[in-house]
Amino acid sequence: GNSVTQMEGPVTLSEEAFLTINCTYTATGYPSLFWYVQYPGEGLQLLLKATKADDKGSNKGFEATYRKETTSFHLEKGSVQVSDSAVYFCALSGGNDMRFGAGTRLTVKP
Amino acid sequence: DADVTQTPRNRITKTGKRIMLECSQTKGHDRMYWYRQDPGLGLRLIYYSFDVKDINKGEISDGYSVSRQAQAKFSLSLESAIPNQTALYFCATSDRDRWDNQPQHFGDGTRLSIL
Repeated sequence: GNSVTQMEGPVTLSEEAFLTINCTYTATGYPSLFWYVQYPGEGLQLLLKATKADDKGSNKGFEATYRKETTSFHLEKGSVQVSDSAVYFCALSGGNDMRFGAGTRLTVKP
Repeated sequence: DADVTQTPRNRITKTGKRIMLECSQTKGHDRMYWYRQDPGLGLRLIYYSFDVKDINKGEISDGYSVSRQAQAKFSLSLESAIPNQTALYFCATSDRDRWDNQPQHFGDGTRLSIL
């Protein structure tokens, strides 16, 4: 079956540091891949997505590239801000199946 | 107003009680979903519905039931609540897409505690 494995947290960084959160997946067929962000007390919000191999999703300085050869979709940001503190979820959608990773809590300190 | 509204936002109840969580949306989406979130487990799909006459079980449907009363309304019921159903519950919607490319839009969640 489909599954998503996400880097465990929590992750604590200083402001302006480089961020990488690893995500790998197992799927049959050609799934779409997503990163969602969850702020305290809120539901998940779409951060970015990629629908086919080699696609790069980007939004608000975050990027992730759909790598079929390594079945990965790692999230990166060059310079994090305090306001980026949140929980980040990698997700997969394909064949009427939606799977989420366990989530990675990011804390950015001034 | 929120596009996806969940009620109640918080609920504390006792083992054995029947509970209904409600979700309504103004996005006009055909597809609706119920998830539960547990620490360290991420989100797990309970049920989903692709239109009013379509109901499907997700990964963890045992102990739950759903009703799609209209395109805009999708409710989740716990017929006889048990403590391990204590969790944060989310409703989500998405637009119709043959290739599953559309993102989901989430409500703010219902925190359910069963004593």
